[in-house]
Amino acid sequence: EAQVTQNPRYLITVTGKKLTVTCSQNMNHEYMSWYRQDPGLGLRQIYYSMNVEVTDKGDVPEGYKVSRKEKRNFPLILESPSPNQTSLYFCASSLTGTTEAFFGQGTRLTVV
Amino acid sequence: QKEVEQNSGPLSVPEGAIASLNCTYSDRGSQSFFWYRQYSGKSPELIMFIYSNGDKEDGRFTAQLNKASQYVSLLIRDSQPSDSATYLCALYGSARQLTFGSGTQLTVLP
Repeated sequence: EAQVTQNPRYLITVTGKKLTVTCSQNMNHEYMSWYRQDPGLGLRQIYYSMNVEVTDKGDVPEGYKVSRKEKRNFPLILESPSPNQTSLYFCASSLTGTTEAFFGQGTRLTVV
Repeated sequence: QKEVEQNSGPLSVPEGAIASLNCTYSDRGSQSFFWYRQYSGKSPELIMFIYSNGDKEDGRFTAQLNKASQYVSLLIRDSQPSDSATYLCALYGSARQLTFGSGTQLTVLP
Protein backbone atom coordinates (compact mmCIF):
# COMPACT_ATOMS: atom_id res chain seq x y z
CA GLU A 1 0.00 0.00 0.00
CA ALA A 2 1.32 3.42 -0.98
CA GLN A 3 1.74 5.50 2.12
CA VAL A 4 3.63 8.04 4.16
CA THR A 5 4.41 6.80 7.65
CA GLN A 6 5.24 9.02 10.58
CA ASN A 7 6.36 7.95 14.02
CA PRO A 8 5.52 8.46 16.76
CA ARG A 9 1.86 9.51 16.53
CA TYR A 10 1.90 11.10 19.96
CA LEU A 11 4.83 12.39 21.97
CA ILE A 12 5.12 14.25 25.24
CA THR A 13 8.59 15.44 26.10
CA VAL A 14 10.39 17.95 28.30
CA THR A 15 12.07 21.17 27.30
CA GLY A 16 15.56 20.67 25.93
CA LYS A 17 15.43 16.92 25.37
CA LYS A 18 16.41 16.16 21.78
CA LEU A 19 13.89 14.24 19.74
CA THR A 20 13.43 12.91 16.23
CA VAL A 21 10.18 12.36 14.36
CA THR A 22 10.60 9.89 11.53
CA CYS A 23 8.92 10.03 8.14
CA SER A 24 9.13 7.37 5.47
CA GLN A 25 7.42 7.01 2.09
CA ASN A 26 7.25 3.97 -0.18
CA MET A 27 6.23 5.73 -3.41
CA ASN A 28 9.69 6.71 -4.67
CA HIS A 29 8.75 10.36 -4.38
CA GLU A 30 11.38 13.01 -4.92
CA TYR A 31 9.73 15.80 -2.91
CA MET A 32 9.20 15.59 0.85
CA SER A 33 8.26 18.24 3.37
CA TRP A 34 7.38 18.89 6.98
CA TYR A 35 4.56 21.08 8.25
CA ARG A 36 3.29 22.19 11.59
CA GLN A 37 -0.34 23.00 12.16
CA ASP A 38 -1.55 25.33 14.87
CA PRO A 39 -5.11 26.58 15.46
CA GLY A 40 -5.93 29.51 13.19
CA LEU A 41 -2.56 29.37 11.41
CA GLY A 42 -3.09 26.54 8.98
CA LEU A 43 -0.27 24.37 7.69
CA ARG A 44 3.07 26.10 7.77
CA GLN A 45 6.02 24.55 6.03
CA ILE A 46 9.10 23.90 8.15
CA TYR A 47 11.51 22.35 5.65
CA TYR A 48 11.28 20.73 2.27
CA SER A 49 13.50 18.55 0.14
CA MET A 50 13.42 18.17 -3.62
CA ASN A 51 15.74 15.17 -3.63
CA VAL A 52 18.43 13.30 -1.72
CA GLU A 53 20.89 15.65 -0.02
CA VAL A 54 18.85 18.70 -1.10
CA THR A 55 16.93 20.51 1.64
CA ASP A 56 15.52 24.04 1.88
CA LYS A 57 14.00 26.13 4.62
CA GLY A 58 10.29 26.67 4.61
CA ASP A 59 8.44 29.42 6.41
CA VAL A 60 9.16 28.40 10.01
CA PRO A 61 12.52 26.55 10.14
CA GLU A 62 13.86 27.96 13.43
CA GLY A 63 14.47 25.28 16.03
CA TYR A 64 14.26 22.39 13.55
CA LYS A 65 16.69 20.33 11.51
CA VAL A 66 16.16 17.81 8.74
CA SER A 67 18.24 15.46 6.67
CA ARG A 68 17.62 13.56 3.43
CA LYS A 69 20.23 10.84 3.15
CA GLU A 70 17.90 8.38 1.47
CA LYS A 71 15.05 9.07 -0.91
CA ARG A 72 12.42 7.39 1.27
CA ASN A 73 13.26 8.97 4.64
CA PHE A 74 13.02 12.56 5.83
CA PRO A 75 13.37 12.81 9.64
CA LEU A 76 12.57 15.97 11.58
CA ILE A 77 14.95 16.73 14.43
CA LEU A 78 14.31 19.06 17.35
CA GLU A 79 17.68 19.54 19.02
CA SER A 80 16.35 21.45 22.02
CA PRO A 81 12.55 21.48 22.02
CA SER A 82 10.70 24.35 23.62
CA PRO A 83 7.02 24.70 24.62
CA ASN A 84 6.31 26.89 21.56
CA GLN A 85 7.03 23.83 19.41
CA THR A 86 4.00 22.10 20.82
CA SER A 87 1.97 21.43 17.70
CA LEU A 88 0.55 18.91 15.26
CA TYR A 89 3.20 17.92 12.72
CA PHE A 90 2.65 16.44 9.28
CA CYS A 91 5.08 14.92 6.85
CA ALA A 92 4.15 14.92 3.17
CA SER A 93 5.60 13.58 -0.05
CA SER A 94 4.94 14.15 -3.73
CA LEU A 95 6.35 12.72 -6.92
CA THR A 96 7.83 16.05 -7.98
CA GLY A 97 7.66 19.68 -6.89
CA THR A 98 4.47 20.22 -8.89
CA THR A 99 2.24 17.24 -8.10
CA GLU A 100 -0.19 16.36 -5.35
CA ALA A 101 1.16 15.75 -1.87
CA PHE A 102 0.33 12.72 0.25
CA PHE A 103 0.34 13.17 3.99
CA GLY A 104 1.36 11.06 6.91
CA GLN A 105 -1.00 10.47 9.83
CA GLY A 106 0.42 13.32 11.88
CA THR A 107 2.44 13.56 15.09
CA ARG A 108 0.98 15.40 18.03
CA LEU A 109 3.91 16.79 20.01
CA THR A 110 3.64 18.34 23.46
CA VAL A 111 6.69 19.98 25.02
CA VAL A 112 6.37 20.73 28.73
CA GLN B 1 0.41 39.90 2.52
CA LYS B 2 0.13 36.15 2.91
CA GLU B 3 1.08 34.09 -0.12
CA VAL B 4 -2.20 32.19 -0.05
CA GLU B 5 -5.31 33.82 1.37
CA GLN B 6 -8.57 32.11 2.23
CA ASN B 7 -11.67 33.33 3.99
CA SER B 8 -11.42 31.48 7.29
CA GLY B 9 -15.20 31.33 7.66
CA PRO B 10 -16.92 29.58 9.20
CA LEU B 11 -19.12 29.04 6.17
CA SER B 12 -22.49 27.40 6.70
CA VAL B 13 -24.75 26.11 3.93
CA PRO B 14 -27.91 23.99 4.06
CA GLU B 15 -27.83 20.42 2.83
CA GLY B 16 -28.25 20.25 -0.92
CA ALA B 17 -26.96 23.79 -1.54
CA ILE B 18 -23.81 24.86 -3.37
CA ALA B 19 -20.82 25.73 -1.22
CA SER B 20 -18.34 28.19 -2.73
CA LEU B 21 -14.80 28.41 -1.38
CA ASN B 22 -12.29 30.97 -2.59
CA CYS B 23 -8.56 31.43 -2.51
CA THR B 24 -6.25 34.17 -3.76
CA TYR B 25 -2.49 34.02 -4.13
CA SER B 26 0.33 36.49 -4.60
CA ASP B 27 3.05 34.56 -6.47
CA ARG B 28 2.43 34.91 -10.21
CA GLY B 29 4.89 32.10 -10.83
CA SER B 30 2.65 29.59 -9.06
CA GLN B 31 2.07 26.50 -11.12
CA SER B 32 -0.04 23.77 -9.57
CA PHE B 33 -3.10 24.35 -7.42
CA PHE B 34 -4.80 21.98 -5.03
CA TRP B 35 -7.80 21.74 -2.76
CA TYR B 36 -7.52 19.52 0.29
CA ARG B 37 -10.17 18.54 2.81
CA GLN B 38 -9.22 18.06 6.44
CA TYR B 39 -11.36 16.66 9.21
CA SER B 40 -10.47 17.73 12.72
CA GLY B 41 -7.26 16.05 13.92
CA LYS B 42 -6.83 14.12 10.66
CA SER B 43 -4.47 14.42 7.74
CA PRO B 44 -5.37 16.56 4.74
CA GLU B 45 -6.72 14.58 1.80
CA LEU B 46 -6.73 15.71 -1.81
CA ILE B 47 -10.05 16.76 -3.32
CA MET B 48 -9.03 18.39 -6.58
CA PHE B 49 -6.00 19.63 -8.44
CA ILE B 50 -5.93 22.09 -11.32
CA TYR B 51 -3.04 23.25 -13.44
CA SER B 52 -4.63 25.27 -16.26
CA ASN B 53 -6.97 28.23 -16.43
CA GLY B 54 -10.64 27.36 -16.52
CA ASP B 55 -12.89 24.85 -14.82
CA LYS B 56 -12.28 21.26 -13.84
CA GLU B 57 -15.12 19.06 -12.69
CA ASP B 58 -15.00 15.85 -10.69
CA GLY B 59 -18.34 14.56 -9.47
CA ARG B 60 -19.89 17.15 -7.15
CA PHE B 61 -16.71 19.23 -7.10
CA THR B 62 -15.59 21.93 -9.54
CA ALA B 63 -12.29 23.74 -9.30
CA GLN B 64 -11.85 27.05 -11.10
CA LEU B 65 -8.53 28.73 -11.82
CA ASN B 66 -7.93 32.25 -13.08
CA LYS B 67 -4.20 32.98 -13.22
CA ALA B 68 -4.66 36.54 -14.50
CA SER B 69 -6.72 37.42 -11.42
CA GLN B 70 -4.71 35.08 -9.19
CA TYR B 71 -7.56 33.19 -7.68
CA VAL B 72 -8.69 29.63 -7.45
CA SER B 73 -12.06 28.46 -6.19
CA LEU B 74 -13.86 25.27 -5.27
CA LEU B 75 -17.57 24.67 -5.73
CA ILE B 76 -19.29 21.81 -3.95
CA ARG B 77 -22.70 20.99 -5.42
CA ASP B 78 -25.44 19.17 -3.52
CA SER B 79 -23.55 19.68 -0.25
CA GLN B 80 -23.85 16.88 2.29
CA PRO B 81 -23.29 16.93 6.07
CA SER B 82 -20.27 14.67 5.44
CA ASP B 83 -18.70 17.56 3.51
CA SER B 84 -18.40 19.48 6.79
CA ALA B 85 -14.65 19.96 7.23
CA THR B 86 -11.89 22.50 6.76
CA TYR B 87 -10.90 23.08 3.13
CA LEU B 88 -7.32 24.02 2.39
CA CYS B 89 -6.11 25.74 -0.73
CA ALA B 90 -2.49 24.94 -1.68
CA LEU B 91 -0.07 25.74 -4.46
CA TYR B 92 3.51 25.30 -5.55
CA GLY B 93 5.12 28.70 -5.86
CA SER B 94 8.11 29.82 -7.90
CA ALA B 95 10.50 28.31 -5.36
CA ARG B 96 8.75 24.92 -5.56
CA GLN B 97 7.53 25.43 -2.02
CA LEU B 98 4.11 23.85 -1.38
CA THR B 99 2.23 26.56 0.51
CA PHE B 100 -1.17 26.28 2.15
CA GLY B 101 -3.81 28.80 3.02
CA SER B 102 -5.13 28.86 6.56
CA GLY B 103 -8.28 27.01 5.50
CA THR B 104 -12.02 27.64 5.36
CA GLN B 105 -14.22 25.79 7.83
CA LEU B 106 -17.39 24.54 6.12
CA THR B 107 -20.48 23.33 7.95
CA VAL B 108 -23.32 21.71 6.01
CA LEU B 109 -26.54 21.89 8.00
CA PRO B 110 -28.97 18.94 7.73
